[in-house]
Amino acid sequence: DAGVTQSPTHLIKTRGQQVTLRCSPKSGHDTVSWYQQALGQGPQFIFQYYEEEERQRGNFPDRFSGHQFPNYSSELNVNALLLGDSALYLCASSAKQGGPETQYFGPGTRLLVL
Amino acid sequence: AQSVTQPDIHITVSEGASLELRCNYSYGATPYLFWYVQSPGQGLQLLLKYFSGDTLVQGIKGFEAEFKRSQSSFNLRKPSVHWSDAAEYFCAVVPWNRDDKIIFGKGTRLHILP
Repeated sequence: DAGVTQSPTHLIKTRGQQVTLRCSPKSGHDTVSWYQQALGQGPQFIFQYYEEEERQRGNFPDRFSGHQFPNYSSELNVNALLLGDSALYLCASSAKQGGPETQYFGPGTRLLVL
Repeated sequence: AQSVTQPDIHITVSEGASLELRCNYSYGATPYLFWYVQSPGQGLQLLLKYFSGDTLVQGIKGFEAEFKRSQSSFNLRKPSVHWSDAAEYFCAVVPWNRDDKIIFGKGTRLHILP
């Protein structure tokens, strides 16, 4: 059983460019959350997708957007990249089964903006 | 304001010694509580979680944590650390209203002396 997978593992972009990160959830999971982890910090919640809709959003600008596909995989898009967007981007998946959720994390995509 | 505090940025212990990592939260009601570990260049792995019931919870890799409502704390412990325990440890909460976004502390980096 594959866990949460993310691609690419590393990415280098320049300021002003756009980037797309991808996530495939753990088998049986239908909810995907995205987190940004700056160097030396804890992860910060960006947003969560369920049933192909954004359900919750953290304190991130509209430059950060996402999508969830019918197979539950998800993309994170960041437009007009800033130097401060350099971080490890983590995807987490979970299953909405009526109880408290435990999210399983992927290995992350490390984005460097030059 | 709602917050998760890990007061120790770095902790160094000798191999074989006991370990306690501190975590305090500030919420109106008892949230769901978690400890995650992150090895260098890796994603997050769940060590243990507390939702309700017995306040002493057992996790993987020999870790345990105790929830103390009166102190709003959820400290992580291990009786005897191994060199492979060197990593960053994050305390995290999901607020009681279960809006599902995980709030992370800033982390404690654990160093192990041989």
